[in-house]
Amino acid sequence: QKEVEQNSGPLSVPEGAIASLNCTYSDRVSQSFFWYRQYSGKSPELIMSIYSNGDKEDGRFTAQLNKASQYVSLLIRDSQPSDSATYLCAGGSNYQLIWGAGTKLIIKP
Amino acid sequence: GAGVSQSPRYKVAKRGQDVALRCDPISGHVSLFWYQQALGQGPEFLTYFQNEAQLDKSGLPSDRFFAERPEGSVSTLKIQRTQQEDSAVYLCASSFQDTGREKLFFGSGTQLSVL
Repeated sequence: QKEVEQNSGPLSVPEGAIASLNCTYSDRVSQSFFWYRQYSGKSPELIMSIYSNGDKEDGRFTAQLNKASQYVSLLIRDSQPSDSATYLCAGGSNYQLIWGAGTKLIIKP
Repeated sequence: GAGVSQSPRYKVAKRGQDVALRCDPISGHVSLFWYQQALGQGPEFLTYFQNEAQLDKSGLPSDRFFAERPEGSVSTLKIQRTQQEDSAVYLCASSFQDTGREKLFFGSGTQLSVL
């Protein structure tokens, strides 16, 4: 079992709908969690970070963390075609980040 | 510059050739990471520096891979006797501190193709 797991997708969502991305993690990953967005041919960029159980909202993005169930999710409201990208989930372990393989999200106009 | 700078952007090497990839992190950033990213995969950890000290090199695939950051700023990843399986994008990232809770700033990467 990988330490950070994501469904590779692609996840296809109509424009204007809510996109829901999920990630599960192992016991080794415990401190902090991050969602990065990566456009094709580009480097990852941070979307959200979350450290405590519950929800964290930033504009159209909401990160949810459930440590008991060991999952973290990212919701994107009012999805736009520009949100089409690969979303990488990463968990912190001391100084290091453990990365999932990413979920490819496609927003259909 | 304001961001993490990597060079070259693209590198084509013949099998057996040595290559050197450069990373210039954001000034003042303590932590520097090298990652290898294969197509359709997430970044795979290679090595970590805290200032000039290489604290973790557990992700380096073989002894053909070597990294250094002698003055705690610019870092070089060297791959000796390149093999086809070394073909990937090599990403460098830096962060201000070393707590594991910091935002990582990535460079644009070096796409290495070994023929």
